[in-house]
Amino acid sequence: LAKTTQPISMDSYEGQEVNITCSHNNIATNDYITWYQQFPSQGPRFIIQGYKTKVTNEVASLFIPADRKSSTLSLPRVSLSDTAVYYCLVGALTDSWGKLQFGAGTQVVVTP
Amino acid sequence: DSGVTQTPKHLITATGQRVTLRCSPRSGDLSVYWYQQSLDQGLQFLIQYYNGEERAKGNILERFSAQQFPDLHSELNLSSLELGDSALYFCASSVEPGTSAVNEQFFGPGTRLTVL
Repeated sequence: LAKTTQPISMDSYEGQEVNITCSHNNIATNDYITWYQQFPSQGPRFIIQGYKTKVTNEVASLFIPADRKSSTLSLPRVSLSDTAVYYCLVGALTDSWGKLQFGAGTQVVVTP
Repeated sequence: DSGVTQTPKHLITATGQRVTLRCSPRSGDLSVYWYQQSLDQGLQFLIQYYNGEERAKGNILERFSAQQFPDLHSELNLSSLELGDSALYFCASSVEPGTSAVNEQFFGPGTRLTVL
């Protein structure tokens, strides 16, 4: 089971781009990289998922280098409402979610 | 709105008591998951059910139990409550792992349990 490491916290100002890097050195061939966002007192919410190269949706971009040992979640032009905890998870699509662990996450704080 | 509902929103009880938390999954989802989130432990997976059967177990105490009913709603029973059981309890649902192109769970709003 791939273990992930991400920064505990990051601060940013409104309008800036925030990049959160997650390390997953033991990622397996069948593993995907998934990011969730959690606001205070709310359940986590799926943001984006990728396997390799780059994935982009209306919320974020996910950059995955060729060796897949790390990934970077990019939040463009953040606003105050992007203040949340961001979790990086690694696992196969067929994995029971009991095997996918939410780590400590990265607390992102956006200030005016 | 994720489509997952949880009741009650808040629950205040005393040590030694027993409570039941209820979850209704998103329409069509057969998998239900329970998580506990406390300030010092983060988001901890407790247990997963799929179509009425237990599928995976995490860090669930023996004092806790869960079940999924034929209508797919699930209940988490917490007994002999201790102060340390105070936490947010989330329920999530998903399609069967491996049947979707994404590892996406849909989380409910949570039940905040306070044990006094």
